[in-house]
Amino acid sequence: QQQVKQSPQSLIVQKGGISIINCAYENTAFDYFPWYQQFPGKGPALLIAIRPDVSEKKEGRFTISFNKSAKQFSLHIMDSQPGDSATYFCAAAYHMDSNYQLIWGAGTKLIIKP
Amino acid sequence: SQTIHQWPATLVQPVGSPLSLECTVEGTSNPNLYWYRQAAGRGLQLLFYSVGIGQISSEVPQNLSASRPQDRQFILSSKKLLLSDSGFYLCAWCRGDEQYFGPGTRLTVT
Repeated sequence: QQQVKQSPQSLIVQKGGISIINCAYENTAFDYFPWYQQFPGKGPALLIAIRPDVSEKKEGRFTISFNKSAKQFSLHIMDSQPGDSATYFCAAAYHMDSNYQLIWGAGTKLIIKP
Repeated sequence: SQTIHQWPATLVQPVGSPLSLECTVEGTSNPNLYWYRQAAGRGLQLLFYSVGIGQISSEVPQNLSASRPQDRQFILSSKKLLLSDSGFYLCAWCRGDEQYFGPGTRLTVT
């Protein structure tokens, strides 16, 4: 299965709180899992990514947790700030011939309340 | 450093009119290039990808087409636009496993 299921669809978090977005996949051939952040009217920007041989990756306030056996991964945003308000997409990559493709989650609209 | 450009930034076209959106990448050679469409408030739909000049793979059958006349140029076209073609069109390029997006073109078909 090529789907990546993302939840929740929308999320409201108080400033300073932890934002958590979850994704699940079926295809064990996926070997790269990025998260993208998109502000209205802009293209998505790569935020952080992880490979399946690592269980956690942290960059500043952003952490990816990866559970290979459960085929799930999540994005944690610590000390969430109003500037983090955006739509977040998870994705999973697989390689085919000389190309690779990203399978995208449906997105989570995150609102951080001041 | 690498930069990706898209133009126009916004476009309003009547139904049945032709379309040409352009994407160019600077600072890299022989990149994999992608066209995505994003409907309002929705996720990304891969339309086409290209691994080299003249090599186009289509993911979704529709009235759109793509061409890659030069190494760092990717063009999205249509002969006759439909209302359903409205959306935010994004071009992207790849460095290893990392995919980077352009600023997008907002297309409204009226």
